[in-house]
Amino acid sequence: GAVVSQHPSRVICKSGTSVKIECRSLDFQATTMFWYRQFPKQSLMLMATSNEGSKATYEQGVEKDKFLINHASLTLSTLTVTSAHPEDSSFYICSAGTSGGDTQYFGPGTRLTVL
Amino acid sequence: AQKVTQAQTEISVVEKEDVTLDCVYETRDTTYYLFWYKQPPSGELVFLIRRNSFDEQNEISGRYSWNFQKSTSSFNFTITASQVVDSAVYFCALWRSNDYKLSFGAGTTVTVRA
Repeated sequence: GAVVSQHPSRVICKSGTSVKIECRSLDFQATTMFWYRQFPKQSLMLMATSNEGSKATYEQGVEKDKFLINHASLTLSTLTVTSAHPEDSSFYICSAGTSGGDTQYFGPGTRLTVL
Repeated sequence: AQKVTQAQTEISVVEKEDVTLDCVYETRDTTYYLFWYKQPPSGELVFLIRRNSFDEQNEISGRYSWNFQKSTSSFNFTITASQVVDSAVYFCALWRSNDYKLSFGAGTTVTVRA
């Protein structure tokens, strides 16, 4: 149980385009979803927290207009990287948790390369 | 402030050697959870263990063991008789009860040579 999927697993796009990444909890309802970014040889950095039906809360230094997060249902959250640039190239990982839950279940990650 | 420190950046061992990964944390919470994750080259995080702040019992799972000591705010992880498949980056993380966020350490890269 507690499976989280991400789609796509890998994406290459041209600079200036927008990319949408989906995060789904397959067998449980996720009241809270988290988005992380991981640069090569670095740790996971939390970008934002989203609760179903409400606006996402962004960490300091993360541009909310550039990284649009939508958590429209209890099983789906999306991250859209708008007007992507090469410096946005990174590994994006989502996780999902239940209400009051002390465990986050991680997706397999999406590797974004912006040319 | 919540903080997790993994002082060892890289560890290289020969197969069958034991390897211990250090994790030191800082928190003002009385209720918190500590985690260890493995991240192989594929990138997917693999959950290894969760330990709550009220349970200081050490745990063993196969070749893996964990030593939790609140007195020193440490949660160390030992791989016994390491294997090449243990090569990965290992992250220690602290879960905060007030906002459910995870704070990750910098990670320790373990390389096991045949």
